[in-house]
Amino acid sequence: GQQLNQSPQSMFIQEGEDVSMNCTSSSIFNTWLWYKQEPGEGPVLLIALYKAGELTSNGRLTAQFGITRKDSFLNISASIPSDVGIYFCAGYLGAQKLVFGQGTRLTINP
Amino acid sequence: SQTIHQWPATLVQPVGSPLSLECTVEGTSNPNLYWYRQAAGRGLQLLFYSVGIGQISSEVPQNLSASRPQDRQFILSSKKLLLSDSGFYLCAWSPGQTYEQYFGPGTRLTVT
Repeated sequence: GQQLNQSPQSMFIQEGEDVSMNCTSSSIFNTWLWYKQEPGEGPVLLIALYKAGELTSNGRLTAQFGITRKDSFLNISASIPSDVGIYFCAGYLGAQKLVFGQGTRLTINP
Repeated sequence: SQTIHQWPATLVQPVGSPLSLECTVEGTSNPNLYWYRQAAGRGLQLLFYSVGIGQISSEVPQNLSASRPQDRQFILSSKKLLLSDSGFYLCAWSPGQTYEQYFGPGTRLTVT
């Protein structure tokens, strides 16, 4: 089936550093979504992207829809302890379904 | 505003016992509804989705089933649980006009 390759799988950073993660696919997507999940909770939608080349921000988070429509990037600036969690990308697969990446686990050292 | 509920929050069940997890959405009508399973804090696997009452699509063969008896109610069931059914079960809804999905708080199922 369709797969999204999300990298890195894990990140260990110092508080205040910037973070970058990405998702790539061999397929073209018309929509990219980014979610954050904290332990024991459901994922929360952070940013939705609908156009190739689109750059959208949500506070310290910025996500981009790749020009080729096969990739997307999420950046977090000036990380803080509450940014800890697992970040998932998702692409719209068609027929009202999303396909999810395997997640990037972010750990922050204060 | 829309709210999604799941219960129970946690469940411990013996192998071979039945299962019923419930998901309800408030504040919207005719949502698309989804059941996902997540193992070990990674990777969401789509199990079932529904675009309307009584309409269920299954994504993976398994001993689970889903039903949608009312517009905003989605139920995940099993007649006999297996050890491999343990995991974190997430319900999600989508307005249908967009592709954004919104998740519930999840149910942690442990099969012993």
